[in-house]
This record gives sequence, C-alpha cells and structure tokens, in this order.
Amino acid sequence: DAGVIQSPRHEVTEMGQEVTLRCKPISGHDYLFWYRQTMMRGLELLIYFNNNVPIDDSGMPEDRFSAKMPNASFSTLKIQPSEPRDSAVYFCASSLMAERGYTFGSGTRLTVV
Amino acid sequence: TQLLEQSPQFLSIQEGENLTVYCNSSSVFSSLQWYRQEPGEGPVLLVTVVTGGEVKKLKRLTFQFGDARKDSSLHITAAQPGDTGLYLCAGDGGGTSYGKLTFGQGTILTVHP
Repeated sequence: DAGVIQSPRHEVTEMGQEVTLRCKPISGHDYLFWYRQTMMRGLELLIYFNNNVPIDDSGMPEDRFSAKMPNASFSTLKIQPSEPRDSAVYFCASSLMAERGYTFGSGTRLTVV
Repeated sequence: TQLLEQSPQFLSIQEGENLTVYCNSSSVFSSLQWYRQEPGEGPVLLVTVVTGGEVKKLKRLTFQFGDARKDSSLHITAAQPGDTGLYLCAGDGGGTSYGKLTFGQGTILTVHP
C-alpha cells in the first residue's frame, strides 16, 4: 500500500495565480479530508468528503478555495486567486472509519510570494 | 465548536526522563486519537481510545482516556531522542460530526541525548 499520495510536495507561486493541489487516497477508504497546517493556527480542517460527496466545507476560508472529488481515487484542492496568506502546508488524509484513524499524506508546502 | 487544548506546548527534556502530555476539552468525544508528526511529514496515528477510562500501552507510551471522555493523556517512560516530534491529540465528536477530527495545537517534544 503506497499510502496517501499528494502532489506536488512543494509549490511556489506568485500572488494571483491559480494553484491546484492533488491527492490520491488509500484504496477502499471512503473518507477524504483536506487540512491546512500553520504555526499560528495548527491543523485546520478545510473540507471532507464521504463516498466522494462533500459533507462539511465550513472550514474553507473563502470562495477562492474549492475542492472536488470526481471519483474515489482522486481529489483536488484549488486556490484561485492565491494570496500570500494562503502559504501553509496542505495535507490530505483518508480514513475507513473515524475510530481507525486517519492516514495522512506527506503534504504540499505552498508558498505564495 | 469543539476545542482541544494541549499542554504543555513545548517540552524539552533529557534522555531517560519521563513526561506527560495532556489534552483537555469541555466537550465529549466519541473517540480520541494521538498522532506524532516529524518535520516534513504528515501526522502518523499512534493510538485510538474509545471507551471512557480506557488505558492503552504502546511500548514506552501509555495513553489514557478520561472517564467522561473529555480529556486524555500521553505518558512516555524513559524518553529517547527518537521520541522527538510534534504530538497531536484529535477528537471525533461523533453524531452528525462523525469522522470529523478536531486537532489540538500540539506539543513539541525535544529529547536531548
């Protein structure tokens, strides 16, 4: 099992540009989560899906952020337009059941200059 | 909003010492998990506790879930430099929030040789 795969590992972009982060969850996991981690705010849940359906997107900062899960093996998080305050590490995680815990990817470190 | 408060935020100790990290909330959680995160990687699940009063041991690590399922602790015996990292507790509120984990701010542990 290759685990949760995120790409890219690092992304540096200019303010105003569109950024797309990608995630492949573990096969068979029916929950997928997008988190953002910063020193100031820790790990914040942005959005999560169950069986490819968005369940709770209340953590998405604003309309500049959008997430999709077109099938069980792929999800994207898009920021358009990006701003310097979006700089953070973005994690994708998947889970079979909450009690069994999440498996996190290695994250995408986003820097917006 | 369910909040988890971890203490201490920082812990710097010598190899061989014992330590305890606390995770507290005013909310009841259906389950609580502990993760460890190393620089440049995503959090990795250590344990899940589900039953109030439950105690789980993982080698030198002992995890306890409070009787009221509002708090938890992580105790490390004879800490080693390899234990260095960010320790995170996370709670699942259950019910309509099933599967959605709320993370504490984390405890940064440094174990000096």
